[in-house]
Amino acid sequence: EAGVAQSPRYKIIEKRQSVAFWCNPISGHATLYWYQQILGQGPKLLIQFQNNGVVDDSQLPKDRFSAERLKGVDSTLKIQPAKLEDSAVYLCASREVPGVAYNEQFFGPGTRLTVL
Amino acid sequence: AQTVTQSQPEMSVQEAETVTLSCTYDTSENNYYLFWYKQPPSRQMILVIRQEAYKQQNATENRFSVNFQKAAKSFSLKISDSQLGDTAMYFCAFVKVTGNQFYFGTGTSLTVIP
Repeated sequence: EAGVAQSPRYKIIEKRQSVAFWCNPISGHATLYWYQQILGQGPKLLIQFQNNGVVDDSQLPKDRFSAERLKGVDSTLKIQPAKLEDSAVYLCASREVPGVAYNEQFFGPGTRLTVL
Repeated sequence: AQTVTQSQPEMSVQEAETVTLSCTYDTSENNYYLFWYKQPPSRQMILVIRQEAYKQQNATENRFSVNFQKAAKSFSLKISDSQLGDTAMYFCAFVKVTGNQFYFGTGTSLTVIP
């Protein structure tokens, strides 16, 4: 079974520029998560989708971050404009069946963003 | 709200020795699941072991086992016969049985010393 795919793996931009990240979850996984992981910290949930609907985006800085999951499959996360404090690894994860807590999340390799 | 606490930011262990990573959590839920995830340097996060709160028996996966103390809300991970490949960040995570949001701790950086 193919894993969660993310691209790009690395991105360096200057502050105030825009950037977009892409995630392709495991086939058939209904739930998709975007996390921000700052160096030395645990993942912080930015947004959670179930199919193509948003379940939780309470910690998403909506003035600069946006995300969508068209057709309930792939997802993109965008930052516009970027700030220095957005430097982090952005993780995408997916989960098979919503509400079945035994199922773990499967994580992608992440996108490491550096904002200069 | 659920919170997960890992009080050991960094730990080290000699190769072939045993090490225990601590995790405590706070919840008013009675049914939930707990997970330990491993994140090797520059590699993706993978599941190490999971525990169902309604099961009293501690989960084991080869060299990895947990000590689950529900009343104390404690969920520690024991790694036996540590190997160099165990060097990684380890995250404890909680999810409600009826929920879909994972709550992660801040992680413990484990270094296995040859």
